[in-house]
Amino acid sequence: SQQGEEDPQALSIQEGENATMNCSYKTSINNLQWYRQNSGRGLVHLILIRSNEREKHSGRLRVTLDTSKKSSSLLITASRAADTASYFCATAAGYSTLTFGKGTMLLVSP
Amino acid sequence: GAVVSQHPSWVICKSGTSVKIECRSLDFQATTMFWYRQFPKQSLMLMATSNEGSKATYEQGVEKDKFLINHASLTLSTLTVTSAHPEDSSFYICSARDSGQLQETQYFGPGTRLLVL
Repeated sequence: SQQGEEDPQALSIQEGENATMNCSYKTSINNLQWYRQNSGRGLVHLILIRSNEREKHSGRLRVTLDTSKKSSSLLITASRAADTASYFCATAAGYSTLTFGKGTMLLVSP
Repeated sequence: GAVVSQHPSWVICKSGTSVKIECRSLDFQATTMFWYRQFPKQSLMLMATSNEGSKATYEQGVEKDKFLINHASLTLSTLTVTSAHPEDSSFYICSARDSGQLQETQYFGPGTRLLVL
């Protein structure tokens, strides 16, 4: 069954604005990962945050994790048109399989 | 960086035929590979976990006799959709774990789009 649920389902912003996507999950996890998928393409790994971490940064990406609320957020700062894609969170328990959420479609307009 | 390739990138076939999709780890060895299916505007659904040298583990609801998986080497896993039907049309994506590193990250292939007429 799907574990992660992203919110919102779709997000439309202007270039330069920040985009925030949220992910909630139901069971205990070892880590949570965010992926990007351009239309009709494979997935690109963005960032991994472990269950004992609360925040992580990578370039213009900032991920937070609140295990008490079983939620995570992905913030993309100073968005660009090239950031237009679908973003998925995926949870992992131990070294087991990944369970993906439904994704957020982000549209960044020039 | 770790690269995973898939072949073919797209395929169109007639109903009733079988289609084989290859997933290769190009610069690392992968004891474990995963096969996902993604329908339009939906998330990835795990179909099966492919382990080198042993039988694949299928997720509930996935027919193992219809989706044959072979992981004969540390760099290659194949998914064969047997007797394909239009409802099998989908985007199939594989991923692989690097056996030589912490097994937390999966590297994804570019996907194979299957259209069954």
